[in-house]
Amino acid sequence: QKEVEQNSGPLSVPEGAIASLNCTYSDRGSQSFFWYRQYSGKSPELIMFIYSNGDKEDGRFTAQLNKASQYVSLLIRDSQPSDSATYLCAVPGGFQKLVFGTGTRLLVSP
Amino acid sequence: SQTIHQWPATLVQPVGSPLSLECTVEGTSNPNLYWYRQAAGRGLQLLFYSVGIGQISSEVPQNLSASRPQDRQFILSSKKLLLSDSGFYLCAWDGDYGYTFGSGTRLTVV
Repeated sequence: QKEVEQNSGPLSVPEGAIASLNCTYSDRGSQSFFWYRQYSGKSPELIMFIYSNGDKEDGRFTAQLNKASQYVSLLIRDSQPSDSATYLCAVPGGFQKLVFGTGTRLLVSP
Repeated sequence: SQTIHQWPATLVQPVGSPLSLECTVEGTSNPNLYWYRQAAGRGLQLLFYSVGIGQISSEVPQNLSASRPQDRQFILSSKKLLLSDSGFYLCAWDGDYGYTFGSGTRLTVV
């Protein structure tokens, strides 16, 4: 059973700071990784995906993948109160299925 | 563009009553479809997935069932609800990059 682990948080950062969210996974053969954002009471929405080692940047978001250490991170620069949400990491868990971590709750204070 | 519809948004049902949740996808054909459940404060649990009409795979044994009567329609059912069936039910389809989720149904069994 493939596993994805995340610190449940909450991770509290002040507005304008960098928020760093981490995720570790058990399957060394995992090739793709996804980050979802879920606001309270809402469904998850995809914000980033990464396939290759290294960094991938999209606006204020940067995903970092280190396959040797089996972790993937999400950095949010210039954090805003609107970024307060739960961030879910996901990896493929077999035939076109995604396995999700339990999520890290991020709180950005004004 | 592809869209996914899920209804109802909220549902309060007594223990022992039946359940039917519906999910439809537009703008794509032969999608892979998924039902997830998210219990309060917990992660996403894959319940069922389907790769085509009439093809259902169950991930977790329980008193729920799923059906796919049409290419873009996925239904989650129960004959008799339990208190433990309460949660946030999410339908998803497998696009080019990760999953797209419906807006979810919040089910409370009383």
